[in-house]
Amino acid sequence: EPEVTQTPSHQVTQMGQEVILRCVPISNHLYFYWYRQILGQKVEFLVSFYNNEISEKSEIFDDQFSVERPDGSNFTLKIRSTKLEDSAMYFCASSEMGGRRTPFGCTFGSGTRLTVV
Amino acid sequence: GIQVEQSPPDLILQEGANSTLRCNFSDSVNNLQWFHQNPWGQLINLFYIPSGTKQNGRLSATTVATERYSLLYISSSQTTDSGVYFCAVKPTIGANSKLTFGKGITLSVRP
Repeated sequence: EPEVTQTPSHQVTQMGQEVILRCVPISNHLYFYWYRQILGQKVEFLVSFYNNEISEKSEIFDDQFSVERPDGSNFTLKIRSTKLEDSAMYFCASSEMGGRRTPFGCTFGSGTRLTVV
Repeated sequence: GIQVEQSPPDLILQEGANSTLRCNFSDSVNNLQWFHQNPWGQLINLFYIPSGTKQNGRLSATTVATERYSLLYISSSQTTDSGVYFCAVKPTIGANSKLTFGKGITLSVRP
């Protein structure tokens, strides 16, 4: 069964440092997402990406965050200057379709646990 | 935005027991998924079920879209079923493609 692959599985970084979280979505999927989950809380939407541009973003996704699809397979989330409150599990997801079209299920990666110290 | 309510918030079962987890949502949806989050934090996709009934081994799910709820059934529970179960939905109306998650149901299965 096709998988969404995320690297690294764990990352520890110092406050103020930049981090890049990497994802390889399923190859024939067209929609890509980042979600985060602060420890003990529910999963929250950050951003969706389609046709090489952001299609929707949440209030959490401020100027410190950016996403990129640098090539045909990778999808990255960059946090420019990490804060303690950015510590969370970050999930990448992809889906075949989205928006107003008939949707299909989203496939989630295993997550990257980010710890900011 | 759409509201997703899951109940009960916590559930403790003896191994071998059956259980029903509920997800209510406030608007019409065209995507509903159930996930199991294991102790390592991974989100395991259990069902994509915007309507109807599906079964996979000891697990089954039913979504009654017209009444805006979904149920996840776990039969003959095992300790490995422990974890948090999330329901996530996408509303039919609107161009957005994001999933909105409920707060989850924490299941503990005791040997």
